[in-house]
Amino acid sequence: QQQVKQSPQSLIVQKGGIPIINCAYENTAFDYFPWYQQFPGKGPALLIAIRPDVSEKKEGRFTISFNKSAKQFSLHIMDSQPGDSATYFCAASWVTGTASKLTFGTGTRLQVTL
Amino acid sequence: EAQVTQNPRYLITVTGKKLTVTCSQNMNHEYMSWYRQDPGLGLRQIYYSMNVEVTDKGDVPEGYKVSRKEKRNFPLILESPSPNQTSLYFCASSLIAGGLVPGELFFGEGSRLTVL
Repeated sequence: QQQVKQSPQSLIVQKGGIPIINCAYENTAFDYFPWYQQFPGKGPALLIAIRPDVSEKKEGRFTISFNKSAKQFSLHIMDSQPGDSATYFCAASWVTGTASKLTFGTGTRLQVTL
Repeated sequence: EAQVTQNPRYLITVTGKKLTVTCSQNMNHEYMSWYRQDPGLGLRQIYYSMNVEVTDKGDVPEGYKVSRKEKRNFPLILESPSPNQTSLYFCASSLIAGGLVPGELFFGEGSRLTVL
């Protein structure tokens, strides 16, 4: 119930394409869904996040789509660029006791080719 | 510059030789956490700390210890490392605010540990 299942494991798209990374969860107590971006040799960094009370959030070329009934959310990267090549992690947070806990998906390695 | 600093960045050691990976943050964050990253397994939490002297187990705490004697520091201790602890380790910190714990996580650049 604490898992977030992420797919695909890796993805190659051409410049200008729209890669889509999907995540699914079971625990309906999850209430915060961030995406982290990690470049080689660096730590992950927060990219964009969404709460379950909205179905979509856009920040620049990055969009999260959220389907509460299906318990799925996805990251879309519009007009992808070689500089977007990185590993992307979805995550989900829920409240337990006096704190929240955050669990990560297994990551998607994205390569954007010229 | 706001940052999370880990040391060492790279370490090769042998089974059973105690080691400590240090982590320090300069953002006055209450929350700190250690993760390990392994291929195909993503980021798994080892231990976390809500504040000084308050620590708790994450999902994979076996073989690790932590301490939080000061707000800015959160060292990870491997008392008797084994080869299955070969991994890439990340320290992260976050504010506790708005009922969300952790909030935005700020990660260090990672420590790659190899245990022979």
